[in-house]
Amino acid sequence: AQRVTQPEKLLSVFKGAPVELKCNYSYSGSPELFWYVQYSRQRLQLLLRHISRESIKGFTADLNKGETSFHLKKPFAQEEDSAMYYCALISGGSYIPTFGRGTSLIVHP
Amino acid sequence: NAGVTQTPKFRVLKTGQSMTLLCAQDMNHEYMYWYRQDPGMGLRLIHYSVGEGTTAKGEVPDGYNVSRLKKQNFLLGLESAAPSQTSVYFCASSYRGIRRMNTEAFFGQGTRLTVV
Repeated sequence: AQRVTQPEKLLSVFKGAPVELKCNYSYSGSPELFWYVQYSRQRLQLLLRHISRESIKGFTADLNKGETSFHLKKPFAQEEDSAMYYCALISGGSYIPTFGRGTSLIVHP
Repeated sequence: NAGVTQTPKFRVLKTGQSMTLLCAQDMNHEYMYWYRQDPGMGLRLIHYSVGEGTTAKGEVPDGYNVSRLKKQNFLLGLESAAPSQTSVYFCASSYRGIRRMNTEAFFGQGTRLTVV
């Protein structure tokens, strides 16, 4: 069975500080991994996916198959980054996303 | 394109009442999902559908039923609402991507349901 673990419920930082939101997964095959973001009272939206290897809004995430991790990072946090972040996994052969419990990021001025 | 649209946005039910949440998508996606979002629990899959006329149970299906009579619509029903079903419900859809492209989920704006 696949599982996504986000160990931190809440991450609180000051503006300009580096941010790392942790995501670990358990799946024996080759997964697809995503980060979704949910701003206050809005719908979830895709932030980035590991296949694209892109940087969105200054965020990056690298898939580490050895550590089964997909941590989200940003070198300098901004107040507008405050949101709920969800890590999600799709396993090969199934397109049904499994989500972690989410991490609430608060960036203080 | 409207994307994924949920109705209603808010609803208050009394215990034992029934209701149906409607999800509509205009992206011709094969896959559709219903999740509930609760504090500290993240998103939990209630039911899902991999195509018109098909449905399957997710992680927390008890107390809910679903139907997908048309490809663009996915209905979530609560036959006898209970306070434990107080939650925010999100519908989502995704494309059955080929070669692992375009497989991300698109979400509706959510339905905030309170059962008193």
